[in-house]
This record gives sequence, structure tokens and C-alpha cells, in this order.
Amino acid sequence: AQSVAQPEDQVNVAEGNPLTVKCTYSVSGNPYLFWYVQYPNRGLQFLLKYITGDNLVKGSYGFEAEFNKSQTSFHLKKPSALVSDSALYFCAVRASRQGKLIFGQGTTLQVKP
Amino acid sequence: GAVVSQHPSRVICKSGTSVKIECRSLDFQATTMFWYRQFPKQSLMLMATSNEGSKATYEQGVEKDKFLINHASLTLSTLTVTSAHPEDSSFYICSAPDSTGTGTYEQYFGPGTRLTVT
Repeated sequence: AQSVAQPEDQVNVAEGNPLTVKCTYSVSGNPYLFWYVQYPNRGLQFLLKYITGDNLVKGSYGFEAEFNKSQTSFHLKKPSALVSDSALYFCAVRASRQGKLIFGQGTTLQVKP
Repeated sequence: GAVVSQHPSRVICKSGTSVKIECRSLDFQATTMFWYRQFPKQSLMLMATSNEGSKATYEQGVEKDKFLINHASLTLSTLTVTSAHPEDSSFYICSAPDSTGTGTYEQYFGPGTRLTVT
């Protein structure tokens, strides 16, 4: 069965500092990996995805993520955090093109001025 | 980009009544739609997969008689919470993958519906 783990409930970072939100996954075969962001009482917004190709994926709003097959990780990163980045972030995995999307438990990112 | 809408965005109903939530893909056809439930500050739990022209597939532990799903057309799926109780209060989110072509079958999410049962 596929699963996603986000080990940190909350990440705190000062504005301007780099940020990392961690994600590890378990899936049979090659994973389809995604990051989404959710603002209060809103749906999910797509940030980026890894399907195949370059392990470093660049996405929306300056975010990027690195796929590491040996560590089964897909950590989300940004070189310089903004206060407006404060939100709830979800990592998700799918085992196939049309498979179910399974979400991690979410990590609250708090960026302080 | 592809857009998924949900209606209503918020609904308050009395215990024992039924509530219908609509999910529409606005600029693409979706033979499949997914319904998720989210509790405050928690993850999205997949409830069911809605299939156009056939019965929905429910995840383990989800009562199919309580959460009725109808995929009426290639752009519309509805979730009806029957005989709602306060414990059904939650944030319900639908998503629809764009299954056209040979792309990555990316899922697009609706803005969510906040259900409060009093």
C-alpha cells in the first residue's frame, strides 16, 4: 500500500531564510509525487510535481523539490521564505497515472517577519 | 488552466436533514472525480471515487448509504450527506483529474464546502 509521511507538524522560519518541508513516501514502482498548499478554508493549490526526469523540480511561487529515490524522499524547499508562504502544505503520492492520490498529514509552515 | 468548482461553499443544516454538494469540472471532462473529507488541521481523507456511468467506489469505513454519490455527467458529480449529524460536520473537497490525452492525469481540486450540522 502506498503512504506518505510528513514528519513535522509545523515548521517555523524567519522571513528571508531558506525553508524545507520534509516528505517521505512508500509506493510500489515509480511514484508520482506532488506538493500542494492550502490556505484557511480554501481548497488545495498545486505547487509542483515529479513524474520522471530531472530530480530537481521547480514549481510555483519559487518553490522547488528534490526527488531522492534512495531515500524515498521529496522535500519541498524555497531559498528565501516570505510571510505570505505561511500555510498548510501537503505532500501526496500516486502509484500510477490513474491511481488514487494519497496525502501526507500536512505541515503548517509559519514564516515570521 | 483546468478549474473545478463546488457549490455551495458553506452550508449549515439541522441534524437529520440531507445536504447535497455539487462538484463541477468547468473546462474539461472528468470521467472520474474524487471526494475527500478534511477535519480541522488534518489531512485529506479519500472518501470515494465517483465514476461517470457507474457506481461510486467507496473507501473502507465510509458508509455508502450515508454519503450518496452520483456522477450525473462528464462534468458533474454530487455528494449527498443523508440524515446528517453533527459528526458529519467537516470540510468536503472534490477533485477531478484531467484524463484527456496522454498527460500526467493531473488532479484539480475544488475550493471545498464547509458543512456544519447543528
